[in-house]
Amino acid sequence: AQSVAQPEDQVNVAEGNPLTVKCTYSVSGNPYLFWYVQYPNRGLQFLLKYITGDNLVKGSYGFEAEFNKSQTSFHLKKPSALVSDSALYFCAVRDALSNFNKFYFGSGTKLNVKP
Amino acid sequence: EPEVTQTPSHQVTQMGQEVILRCVPISNHLYFYWYRQILGQKVEFLVSFYNNEISEKSEIFDDQFSVERPDGSNFTLKIRSTKLEDSAMYFCASRVGLAGETQYFGPGTRLLVL
Repeated sequence: AQSVAQPEDQVNVAEGNPLTVKCTYSVSGNPYLFWYVQYPNRGLQFLLKYITGDNLVKGSYGFEAEFNKSQTSFHLKKPSALVSDSALYFCAVRDALSNFNKFYFGSGTKLNVKP
Repeated sequence: EPEVTQTPSHQVTQMGQEVILRCVPISNHLYFYWYRQILGQKVEFLVSFYNNEISEKSEIFDDQFSVERPDGSNFTLKIRSTKLEDSAMYFCASRVGLAGETQYFGPGTRLLVL
C-alpha cells in the first residue's frame, strides 16, 4: 500500500535557524514525492517535488528536500527559517499503481517559527 | 500565474440537503480531482476525472457523491443528501496530464453540515 508518514505534529524553530520537517514514505515502484504548504484559510500551495535525478531538490521560498532511498525519506529543509514560514506542511506521494496520479497525503506538520 | 479557483469559500447547509461545490481548474489542464480534509485530519482523495468521466474514486465517494464538468471550464462536486460527517474542507485540484506532473490545488470550500 502507498502511504506517507509525518512523524511530528509540530516543529518549533527560532527565526534564522535551520528547519527540517520530516517525511517518510512507503510505495510500490518509483516514488514521486511532493511537498505542499497550507497557510491559514488558504489552499495547498506546491513547494517542490522529486520525480527522478538529483536527490536534493530545490523549490519555492528557499525550501529544499532531500530524497533518501535507503531511508525512504523525503525531509523538507530550509537553511534559515523566517517567521512567515509558519504554516502547515504536507508531504504527499503519488500512487504508483494509479493511472491517474492520485495522491496520498501525510497528516501534516505545523511549523512554528518564533522571532 | 493561472490558479485553480473554487466557490463558495464557505457553505453551511442542513443535513439532508444537496450541495454543489464548484471549481474552475487551470485552463489547459486535463485531469481533475476532488480531495477533502476533515478538521484535524489528513487530506483524502475522493475522485479523479479525465476525458469527461470518473477515472478513479475512493471508498468515500459513494452514491451520494457525483462529479460533472458541465461546460469547458467548471468542474463540480455534488453531494446529494448531506450528512454531518460530510463537514470538511473540500479541495479541487488539476494537472496538465504528464506523468508525475504536479497537482495544483484550489483554496478549498469549507462545508459545514448542521
